[in-house]
Amino acid sequence: QSALTQPASVSGSLGQSITISCTGTSSDVGGYNFVSWYQQHPGKAPKFIIYDVSYRPSGVSDRFSGSKSGNTASLTISGLQAEDEADYYCSSYTRSGATYVFGTGTKVTVL
Amino acid sequence: EMQLVQSGAEVKKPGESLKISCQGSGYSFTNHWVGWVRQMPGKGLEWVAIIWLANSNTKYSPSWQGQVTISADKSINTAYLQWSSLKASDTAMYYCASTMDGNFFWDYWGQGTLVSVSS
Repeated sequence: QSALTQPASVSGSLGQSITISCTGTSSDVGGYNFVSWYQQHPGKAPKFIIYDVSYRPSGVSDRFSGSKSGNTASLTISGLQAEDEADYYCSSYTRSGATYVFGTGTKVTVL
Repeated sequence: EMQLVQSGAEVKKPGESLKISCQGSGYSFTNHWVGWVRQMPGKGLEWVAIIWLANSNTKYSPSWQGQVTISADKSINTAYLQWSSLKASDTAMYYCASTMDGNFFWDYWGQGTLVSVSS
């Protein structure tokens, strides 16, 4: 069971939009609509920001959106703000072990 | 308010055993899954194992089978992760997370338990 593949880092200027990809296989991302995204600030516990590919929990800014095509899911942050600077992880249910797998993580830098 | 409270930081020697805990408050865990996640220093998140509090049904990520044991006591809303013989490579932050049965995302997270293993 390998980790899902994410870019190591993505950067953008204040107000811009960025997209983070999360590539898996047909056993995880491509096989289920159970992709979720987590934001982690340094020294803090992860916080979930997207579930079931594209749904936002209450209280999460609508600047965060999710999508999926085939074996690749994506998280888009629009109107980038300073507080968005953090690490982001995707996670998917996986047929392997009937459990879950995380992505490799992406560090977002706001220029 | 629903929250998960984890046990405190641990400093252990290689070969020692350890059991860390994660207690839910503000709601009943009975119909929830609880999972444990490892984060080694400066590294990413890894799923370790998950357990359904209703009947202690457990699932381990493939590389973790046999390395740790996940358990739970639903009467006190608590899940556990234990090691029988720690290694230096077990040094990491361990987070617990929970989700209601039928959901496939993890909406509540503990504050983390730092485990340090050194001779």
